[in-house]
Amino acid sequence: AQSVAQPEDQVNVAEGNPLTVKCTYSVSGNPYLFWYVQYPNRGLQFLLKYITGDNLVKGSYGFEAEFNKSQTSFHLKKPSALVSDSALYFCAVRYTSGTYKYIFGTGTRLKVLA
Amino acid sequence: NAGVTQTPKFQVLKTGQSMTLQCAQDMNHEYMSWYRQDPGMGLRLIHYSVGAGITDQGEVPNGYNVSRSTTEDFPLRLLSAAPSQTSVYFCASSTTGTAQPQHFGDGTRLSIL
Repeated sequence: AQSVAQPEDQVNVAEGNPLTVKCTYSVSGNPYLFWYVQYPNRGLQFLLKYITGDNLVKGSYGFEAEFNKSQTSFHLKKPSALVSDSALYFCAVRYTSGTYKYIFGTGTRLKVLA
Repeated sequence: NAGVTQTPKFQVLKTGQSMTLQCAQDMNHEYMSWYRQDPGMGLRLIHYSVGAGITDQGEVPNGYNVSRSTTEDFPLRLLSAAPSQTSVYFCASSTTGTAQPQHFGDGTRLSIL
């Protein structure tokens, strides 16, 4: 069955330090993978995606993600965290190729400490 | 350019009442979808549409109806509200050429008593 897992409910990091938010997936076929961010009382904002090509994907606000096929992971990273990065982050995977169904992870709350 | 607009922002219903959550987009997007967000469960797809007159079920469609008579609007109907439908509902849209839901509304917070 298709699934996506975010093993950490919360990640705390000091401002200026690198951050990683973890995501693993299980899909049949080639995965389409996505990261979104949600600020309080707002809808989700798209950050980046992996469809094919380079395993390191760059996105909005200085975020990047690394696709690792052997580990079935798609971790979100940023070299230097900002307090304003504090938010809820969701990993998502397209259900199967050719569909418009998406499965979202349960979310990871990132807290960047000043 | 308003993007994706959801109304109302908040609503309280009694069990058994019916209601329609509105979603409108002004970007001429073919793809629109409805999600519910519950604590510890992420977002779950309810229904989606790839164009006017075309709808399909998502992961949790029971208790919800949709229709897509125009490109701009994709209303979600609760025919007989149940407490289990208490949630935050999000509408999203994108072009069908985009691989993911690109634009989300700010949500409707629905409480069923």
